[in-house]
Amino acid sequence: QVQLVQSGAEVKKPGASVKVSCKTSGFSFSNYFMHWVRQAPGQGLEWMGIIDLGGGSTRYAQKFQGRVTMTRDTSTTTVYMELSRLRSEDTAVYYCARVRSLRRAFDMWGQGTMVTVSS
Amino acid sequence: IVLTQSPGTLSLSPGERATLSCRASQPVSNNYLAWYQQKPGQAPRLLIYDASGRATGVPDRFSGSGSGTDFTLTISRLEPEDFAVYYCQQYGSSYTFGQGTKLEIK
Repeated sequence: QVQLVQSGAEVKKPGASVKVSCKTSGFSFSNYFMHWVRQAPGQGLEWMGIIDLGGGSTRYAQKFQGRVTMTRDTSTTTVYMELSRLRSEDTAVYYCARVRSLRRAFDMWGQGTMVTVSS
Repeated sequence: IVLTQSPGTLSLSPGERATLSCRASQPVSNNYLAWYQQKPGQAPRLLIYDASGRATGVPDRFSGSGSGTDFTLTISRLEPEDFAVYYCQQYGSSYTFGQGTKLEIK
């Protein structure tokens, strides 16, 4: 069955970087796109960006431009999201979410990865 | 596109009908509007896509309607497991989420 399994919780200091992984299985990897969405404690959902799992092209929300990098490894069918220059406001649960095409709802989500930024 | 959900909190009893609203700041292209359910400690779950399509495995007590800028999620008869936070999302022009409606037991 389709699975998106994310890496474990992280604690980082301000100014550091974090790289979250999303290991996929059960579907044709290169035929899909992957979004990243985050949720600060007690808050709503915030879209961060999307990567084409076939060609590797990316599009990021303006808010994260210059700080976020999304990549994928087709050999291991794993997707990565790296966020740099972390600040306390980046403390959140980060989710990967799969879609079949750009204009589709997010039908499958990873379990989430908690990232805590604290000095 | 900014999505505004109302009410912020809805207090109802099991068996009652729930009506959740999502209003967009401009028309949503092709009615590319989804609804998600989120329970504490869990990832969001897709309920409705393209404004009115029911996702796989979603009970038929959940229905979506609307077009343009005004959309509604209706739960016909609330079950105990339906009490959660609900988000609308548009994916017609980039991607944005509403701020959520908390559905709580009265």
